[in-house]
Amino acid sequence: RKEVEQDPGPFNVPEGATVAFNCTYSNSASQSFFWYRQDCRKEPKLLMSVYSSGNEDGRFTAQLNRASQYISLLIRDSKLSDSATYLCVVKRAAGGKLIFGQGTELSVKP
Amino acid sequence: GAVVSQHPSRVICKSGTSVKIECRSLDFQATTMFWYRQFPKKSLMLMATSNEGSKATYEQGVEKDKFLINHASLTLSTLTVTSAHPEDSSFYICSARDPEEYVSNQPQHFGDGTRLSIL
Repeated sequence: RKEVEQDPGPFNVPEGATVAFNCTYSNSASQSFFWYRQDCRKEPKLLMSVYSSGNEDGRFTAQLNRASQYISLLIRDSKLSDSATYLCVVKRAAGGKLIFGQGTELSVKP
Repeated sequence: GAVVSQHPSRVICKSGTSVKIECRSLDFQATTMFWYRQFPKKSLMLMATSNEGSKATYEQGVEKDKFLINHASLTLSTLTVTSAHPEDSSFYICSARDPEEYVSNQPQHFGDGTRLSIL
């Protein structure tokens, strides 16, 4: 079993749709959690950190449930420019390695 | 903000060639850098952790003699793919640990990646 698991998609949605991505992690010692975005043939870019209290950044909302070891990302009013692969990432300890999920591909259509 | 430069961005060479990829932190000192490999439609897989002034720590299944890592200064780590073969063709990405990650909230800063094609 992979340490970080995501639905690979692809998710094909129309502009303006709300889309939710789910992620589970198996290592309960994981300390920090992130969502990254990766465009085709580019490096991953940090989208947002994920906190237990939940956090929002504009159209993006991230949630963390430590008890069930589950992370989510909600994108509201999706734009064409949101098309990318979204990577769920966990970090075990300060200075520690980042463990990437396989990514969920999103394609937003006009 | 912090920037990591990776060079070259694209390499095409013949089988048997050794290829060196450089990763530089431009405005901060990086005691720890990481090297990842990504195959098409797959996620980033950590190959090794590069520590300044000491030997790199390789992940299970990664050949140390195949992928040579040198981190001789606080701003430069290099990955050399020795005697590269077509199966080594991949997207290689480096990152540097942010020494002030609790301020920036960014655990690592990524280079632009190197697309390696071995013919």
